[in-house]
Amino acid sequence: TQLLEQSPQFLSIQEGENLTVYCNSSSVFSSLQWYRQEPGEGPVLLVTVVTGGEVKKLKRLTFQFGDARKDSSLHITAAQPGDTGLYLCAGANFGNEKLTFGTGTRLTIIP
Amino acid sequence: DVKVTQSSRYLVKRTGEKVFLECVQDMDHENMFWYRQDPGLGLRLIYFSYDVKMKEKGDIPEGYSVSREKKERFSLILESASTNQTSMYLCASSLPKDGVSNQPQHFGDGTRLSIL
Repeated sequence: TQLLEQSPQFLSIQEGENLTVYCNSSSVFSSLQWYRQEPGEGPVLLVTVVTGGEVKKLKRLTFQFGDARKDSSLHITAAQPGDTGLYLCAGANFGNEKLTFGTGTRLTIIP
Repeated sequence: DVKVTQSSRYLVKRTGEKVFLECVQDMDHENMFWYRQDPGLGLRLIYFSYDVKMKEKGDIPEGYSVSREKKERFSLILESASTNQTSMYLCASSLPKDGVSNQPQHFGDGTRLSIL
């Protein structure tokens, strides 16, 4: 069974600070997705990265896929209370439709 | 906008009962998924369906079954509920893969199931 470990599991920081969340595995994935889940709702896709080394930016969020396609990071610049939520990475497997979800990082931004 | 609707937000059942969780999507997606979400474990795949009447076991299928008689509806069945099945259950749907990249999964808001 493939595993995706996210770190840290919990992160609580002040508004305006920067942070990085990590998603690591020993397995290679064909692509990797990041989702954010807010209380009482299902996860919502933020981004998909496909190529090793790829960097994608979504306003203050920067996503990077590792060169070997085994890991990924999410960097948030100048965090805002609206960034609060559970962040989940999900690796896509070659040749099938399934995703392997990470263990999750619960982020709280304090105003 | 894609809409995935789960029939109940909260459900309380007793040990040994047969429990049905229903999920309906309105975007004609081929793929549908059932996950359970527990703190610190992320989402774990229970079952997956890629077409009507087709199903495939996920990572934790024991104690569960599924039914997909129509494309828009995917049901999760707990044959004889046990307390260790108390959890948040999430349904999702997606289009098939686009080349290398998986399509986004669209989730319902979840059913919080308690087994007493």
